[in-house]
Amino acid sequence: GDSVIQMQGQVTLSENDFLFINCTYSTTGYPTLFWYVQYSGEGPQLLLQVTTANNKGSSRGFEATYDKGTTSFHLQKTSVQEIDSAVYYCARNMGYKLTFGTGTSLLVDP
Amino acid sequence: EAAVTQSPRSKVAVTGGKVTLSCHQTNNHDYMYWYRQDTGHGLRLIHYSYVADSTEKGDIPDGYKASRPSQENFSLILELASLSQTAVYFCASRDWGENTGQLYFGEGSKLTVL
Repeated sequence: GDSVIQMQGQVTLSENDFLFINCTYSTTGYPTLFWYVQYSGEGPQLLLQVTTANNKGSSRGFEATYDKGTTSFHLQKTSVQEIDSAVYYCARNMGYKLTFGTGTSLLVDP
Repeated sequence: EAAVTQSPRSKVAVTGGKVTLSCHQTNNHDYMYWYRQDTGHGLRLIHYSYVADSTEKGDIPDGYKASRPSQENFSLILELASLSQTAVYFCASRDWGENTGQLYFGEGSKLTVL
């Protein structure tokens, strides 16, 4: 069935560190893929999306590449800042439903 | 500016009681959704709706009902609240531009069942 896997529950980094968050998805069809970010006390909001396989999405210094061959959509950022501390969700779209992964909590120490 | 507002933002309920969570959107979106958020489970879809007076089951509908009386309003109803329904609930509306579909979330409703 439709599923999104995020293995990293929590990541702790220092400012200016490189960020890499894993996401893999099940292979049914050709979904649109998303990264959502949730700051403390708020609802999730769209960070970036990619609709076409093997394309890249980018926003606010974050990048993700839709790799259909490995069914991966990893999120990365070259240099994180304290304000990037949040929960990050990978998600896939199939028809009317948006299915989310379990989320990765990022803490960036100043 | 597009907005999704939820009420109440926080509620304490007793086991077996009835709880209604309300959601109102000013986005003029047809699709609306209810998700619950739990540590270790992320966001899971409970119910959704694509038109007024019609609702559809999501992935975890058991113990929940939904109501969509108008395009702007979408409610989640717990007829007999249970301890396991303690969670944060998020409502969202969806923009279907260019076959993508960004979700716009409310700020969440924290429900504690005692």
